[in-house]
Amino acid sequence: EAQVTQNPRYLITVTGKKLTVTCSQNMNHEYMSWYRQDPGLGLRQIYYSMNVEVTDKGDVPEGYKVSRKEKRNFPLILESPSPNQTSLYFCASSWTGVELPYEQYFGPGTRLTVT
Amino acid sequence: TQLLEQSPQFLSIQEGENLTVYCNSSSVFSSLQWYRQEPGEGPVLLVTVVTGGEVKKLKRLTFQFGDARKDSSLHITAAQPGDTGLYLCAGGWDSGTYKYIFGTGTRLKVLA
Repeated sequence: EAQVTQNPRYLITVTGKKLTVTCSQNMNHEYMSWYRQDPGLGLRQIYYSMNVEVTDKGDVPEGYKVSRKEKRNFPLILESPSPNQTSLYFCASSWTGVELPYEQYFGPGTRLTVT
Repeated sequence: TQLLEQSPQFLSIQEGENLTVYCNSSSVFSSLQWYRQEPGEGPVLLVTVVTGGEVKKLKRLTFQFGDARKDSSLHITAAQPGDTGLYLCAGGWDSGTYKYIFGTGTRLKVLA
């Protein structure tokens, strides 16, 4: 089954404790992306990757890191989480369109609470 | 960074009514996508519109891309409870990057 998986689905942590949210896709997509979703703000893109070893900032990259060492995996790293990073996080993947974007496939989401 | 504004933010209607959701930007997008998201799940693509003035139909849903590719609308005819969800528009690509810009969303509730 074609899918994007994220782990963990739920996470409660404390300020300053480094954490990693994993994302994996089995569709051989080049493009992968991380979003956060907050009430009234919609989905905001954190980072995206056009292919292995190619990453770039989205609209809200501060406080986050990513890496793309393998095509299927795109982990999101919070080096020193703060309460304002409490949010619902989604990973997504798609084929790469140079002229036009393709359909994004989203994971089930990770609900993160930082106390 | 471009912005996408959706209206209305919330909509509660009776089964069988028609409705329209709007997605507006001050800038041009090469394409615009509409997604629906249900509680506890990630968004799922409904349609992509590419050409200015384009109209696409998906059963009772009609999507239109503005002539200038700055705005889009989603019209639902004879809404059903199964249409309940969060509707999101997404513009891509943003200003020479490969970023997506999502609208703030329209939360629709259809009452039986």
